[in-house]
Amino acid sequence: GEDVEQSLFLSVREGDSSVINCTYTDSSSTYLYWYKQEPGAGLQLLTYIFSNMDMKQDQRLTVLLNKKDKHLSLRIADTQTGDSAIYFCAPFSGGYNKLIFGAGTRLAVHP
Amino acid sequence: GAGVSQSPSNKVTEKGKDVELRCDPISGHTALYWYRQSLGQGLEFLIYFQGNSAPDKSGLPSDRFSAERTGGSVSTLTIQRTQQEDSAVYLCASSPGTGGVTEAFFGQGTRLTVV
Repeated sequence: GEDVEQSLFLSVREGDSSVINCTYTDSSSTYLYWYKQEPGAGLQLLTYIFSNMDMKQDQRLTVLLNKKDKHLSLRIADTQTGDSAIYFCAPFSGGYNKLIFGAGTRLAVHP
Repeated sequence: GAGVSQSPSNKVTEKGKDVELRCDPISGHTALYWYRQSLGQGLEFLIYFQGNSAPDKSGLPSDRFSAERTGGSVSTLTIQRTQQEDSAVYLCASSPGTGGVTEAFFGQGTRLTVV
């Protein structure tokens, strides 16, 4: 079946850039989403990219998509303590006709 | 409603009892997902409804788990003979469907504790 892999943990210093990586297996993925879950809260959509794009920038967020390698990344510039959360990669699988979530990457920001 | 609503928000039950968790999706959304999130863990897919198609039940962990969606709207997840390992936050999400942007909107979840 469709598989989505993320590293489980990332620690960065405040002010540095964070890069969260995701690989997936379904080449027919159309939209690819990043969700954020803050401590004790629900999941909120952070950003997304359509499969015919290779980059999308939204303020401090940059999403890069390499369709050939089925690799998606989320870069957060000037990371702040408020960015500490779990980040989930979620491609919409055209083959399975549903969203597939990765296990999530826990981002810890320290002074 | 304005968003996905789940009830109850918290449920404590004794081992062996049955529980029902409810999800009210956003009006007009044809797709509905149930996920489970254990403490400190990622999302575990349980079941997916899309319109009138047969549900994708491939994530249900055992036959003690079942879900239905009545009239293409409200969904109920039922866990029979609950076990302690069923303790988790159960999340529901709805989505407009398969065409166009397929963003899923999440409810706040039901925290289930089996004692």
